[in-house]
Amino acid sequence: DVKVTQSSRYLVKRTGEKVFLECVQDMDHENMFWYRQDPGLGLRLIYFSYDVKMKEKGDIPEGYSVSREKKERFSLILESASTNQTSMYLCASSFYEGTYEQYFGPGTRLTVT
Amino acid sequence: AQTVTQSQPEMSVQEAETVTLSCTYDTSESDYYLFWYKQPPSRQMILVIRQEAYKQQNATENRFSVNFQKAAKSFSLKISDSQLGDAAMYFCAYSPHLQGAQKLVFGQGTRLTINP
Repeated sequence: DVKVTQSSRYLVKRTGEKVFLECVQDMDHENMFWYRQDPGLGLRLIYFSYDVKMKEKGDIPEGYSVSREKKERFSLILESASTNQTSMYLCASSFYEGTYEQYFGPGTRLTVT
Repeated sequence: AQTVTQSQPEMSVQEAETVTLSCTYDTSESDYYLFWYKQPPSRQMILVIRQEAYKQQNATENRFSVNFQKAAKSFSLKISDSQLGDAAMYFCAYSPHLQGAQKLVFGQGTRLTINP
């Protein structure tokens, strides 16, 4: 079974703090993605990566950065957390070629106070 | 830009009945994939069904089937014999058929409630 894990299910941070969200996959997938899920808006792509040290902006990259130093790990960084970044964050991974199916982690619900 | 629209924020159905969730999309591409994903409460998102645009035949997976109307850019999900375990958020998603990192564009989601 494909397994995508995220470092925390729930996280509470203060405004201005630097926040790290970690994602690890065990299926040797080339592609990894970070989404943000908000009610009524669905999932929106923040950043994605198709190889180690490669990253590309998604639809809403402002206020976020990412790091991919190893193939299995993809980190999302909030340099200075703000209350409007309170949300559910989902990580996903997939093969570079194939069925296009993305496998999702359980999500991290981040609250910024 | 590609967009995906789910016009039903919430749906409910009696157990054992059939329900159809709607999805429309907008794209200028001719080759693409469409997906329905299920997100149960407090559980991970999983793929329900996938449709390749070049295939005319509608995809089916057990009790789940789609009605893919390419010209109308419509992709609805039919759940037959609804079960309590089908209660979840359902997301329609689109991806162009391009080599590389295949980004998904998601709809807003439909929350499905199953009434016993």
